Amino acid sequence: AQRVTQPEKLLSVFKGAPVELKCNYSYSGSPELFWYVQYSRQRLQLLLRHISRESIKGFTADLNKGETSFHLKKPFAQEEDSAMYYCALRGNTDKLIFGTGTRLQVFP
Amino acid sequence: SQTIHQWPATLVQPVGSPLSLECTVEGTSNPNLYWYRQAAGRGLQLLFYSVGIGQISSEVPQNLSASRPQDRQFILSSKKLLLSDSGFYLCAWSRDRETQYFGPGTRLLVL
Repeated sequence: AQRVTQPEKLLSVFKGAPVELKCNYSYSGSPELFWYVQYSRQRLQLLLRHISRESIKGFTADLNKGETSFHLKKPFAQEEDSAMYYCALRGNTDKLIFGTGTRLQVFP
Repeated sequence: SQTIHQWPATLVQPVGSPLSLECTVEGTSNPNLYWYRQAAGRGLQLLFYSVGIGQISSEVPQNLSASRPQDRQFILSSKKLLLSDSGFYLCAWSRDRETQYFGPGTRLLVL
């Protein structure tokens, strides 16, 4: 079965601290992994996808097939990073399977 | 450019009343369309998706139904709302194997 697990509901850090939002998945084939973000009063939007291998707003995520993980990382958190973050998986169809989300709070 | 709209933004309905939420997409043709429910602590749950007019796939058994009467219109309905139908409903569109773009959402409260 396809499943995405985000074990942390809430992650609170101070500005300038490193951030790691955890995501583990369960899928028997080769998945595509995504991170979506929802800032306050804004629409859910794509942050990054593993096939792009790019850094967006300082965030990176590496697909680790051995550990079936796709953790989102940023070395120095900013207040404007405070948002709800969702990890998502796409298998061999066009459907996305989302995790339950992690709320990131960055304090000044 | 493509845009996606949802209507209404907020809705308060009594238990047992009908429901109709609308989603429309502009600037593209033959999109894949999706309805999600976003509930606290449960993330985004895919309810329905559609690859074309009149083609609807249901992901979870529930009190809701979906229809696609036109290429860029996706409607979420219920004949009789339950308290458990309360939540935040998101519509999304995509081209095949590409990014999904989400609408602003509809907040539904069933009393």
